[in-house]
Amino acid sequence: ETGVTQSPTHLIKTRGQQVTLRCSSQSGHNTVSWYQQALGQGPQFIFQYYREEENGRGNFPPRFSGLQFPNYSSELNVNALELDDSALYLCASTSRATGELFFGEGSRLTVL
Amino acid sequence: QKEVEQNSGPLSVPEGAIASLNCTYSDRVSQSFFWYRQYSGKSPELIMSIYSNGDKEDGRFTAQLNKASQYVSLLIRDSQPSDSATYLCAVNERETAGNMLTFGGGTRLMVKP
Repeated sequence: ETGVTQSPTHLIKTRGQQVTLRCSSQSGHNTVSWYQQALGQGPQFIFQYYREEENGRGNFPPRFSGLQFPNYSSELNVNALELDDSALYLCASTSRATGELFFGEGSRLTVL
Repeated sequence: QKEVEQNSGPLSVPEGAIASLNCTYSDRVSQSFFWYRQYSGKSPELIMSIYSNGDKEDGRFTAQLNKASQYVSLLIRDSQPSDSATYLCAVNERETAGNMLTFGGGTRLMVKP
């Protein structure tokens, strides 16, 4: 139990649509990050939020955007979905003490 | 381009044996290192972190770090069938903004009864 919860767990969209994924992070962990994990690959860093501002971004286009709220919950938004966006999307909160990342169960997105 | 390399496997070991999982990384500024276990269809679960050269033991798990060789490994003693999973190596450049991890592709471990 990591204290990181994500919703929805599974969803199916069609190409061109938009999706919003949600994450509630562990109390005391004020940094939240999002990762994309395609089938058979390791997770890839999308971006990170600290105190409601993006403070790090991986190699993902602007159609991937996010928000962090005062209660440390977070959203990942993806516009103009493409087939290659099909993946497991992982939200992680960071322990301030150790820098360790703890993942939620993920949201599995299928784009048809 | 920062890279973390792992042999994809599968690595097959008999129950009770030692499983040795290896990882190399390209970026010398990497400061902290993590091993995650991921069961099929599940999210990654942190099992070990290591920050200094040498060995770190936690139960049946031992992480080994050699920064000069840019090499980190995970040993699992007395392997059990329940250890069968994909093991992900991840590195973190703590000197940069944020705590973003770069992951390897994972090594699939199979422990046979």
